[in-house]
Amino acid sequence: QVQLVQSGAEVKKPGASVKVSCKASGYTFTGYYMHWVRQAPGQGLEWMGRINPNSGGTNYAQKFQGRVTMTRDTSISTAYMELSRLRSDDTAVYYCATSWAAVAGLDYWGQGTLVTVSS
Amino acid sequence: SYVLTQPPSVSVAPGQTARITCGGNNIGSKSVHWYQQKPGQAPVLVVYDDSDRPSGIPERFSGSNSGNTATLTISRVEAGDEADYYCQVWDSSSDHGVFGGGTKLTVL
Repeated sequence: QVQLVQSGAEVKKPGASVKVSCKASGYTFTGYYMHWVRQAPGQGLEWMGRINPNSGGTNYAQKFQGRVTMTRDTSISTAYMELSRLRSDDTAVYYCATSWAAVAGLDYWGQGTLVTVSS
Repeated sequence: SYVLTQPPSVSVAPGQTARITCGGNNIGSKSVHWYQQKPGQAPVLVVYDDSDRPSGIPERFSGSNSGNTATLTISRVEAGDEADYYCQVWDSSSDHGVFGGGTKLTVL
């Protein structure tokens, strides 16, 4: 069965960077897009961007351009999301999620990674 | 950028039908996806491409999309359906994903 297992919770200081991993299993990693979605405490879902694990091509939401980098390591079926210059309002749960096509529904989700930004 | 508007809350008695709307400019021309999120859990896709259901999702969940409004309909509502529901589309002009603000479904 498809599983996306994310790295553990992180606490970072403002201005620092965080890198969250998402290890995939149960399907062909390069056959599905990987998206990153975040959710601030008590707030809604926010799409951050996606990566094509086959080509490495990325598409980032305007809001995160210049601060987010999405990468992948196909040898270990793992996707990464790095967010730099962290601010307190980046405190959120970050999810990875797959889709079979670039604009399809997000059909499998990771368990989420809480990133807390605090001085 | 493209904006999706959902009512903050919808309440319904058990056994009745819940309808959650998602408004957007000419949303009928886009494919709409719906997610259910229970407290402390990751979202779950319940309807994709306006009206299709992933395997394992009960037939009680259905969707429609026309004009400026997409609708998620939950028939014979159960207590376990109480959750937040989000609509989502792809903004073709930017090729970015867009989520609605979410609707909290309360089962009375």
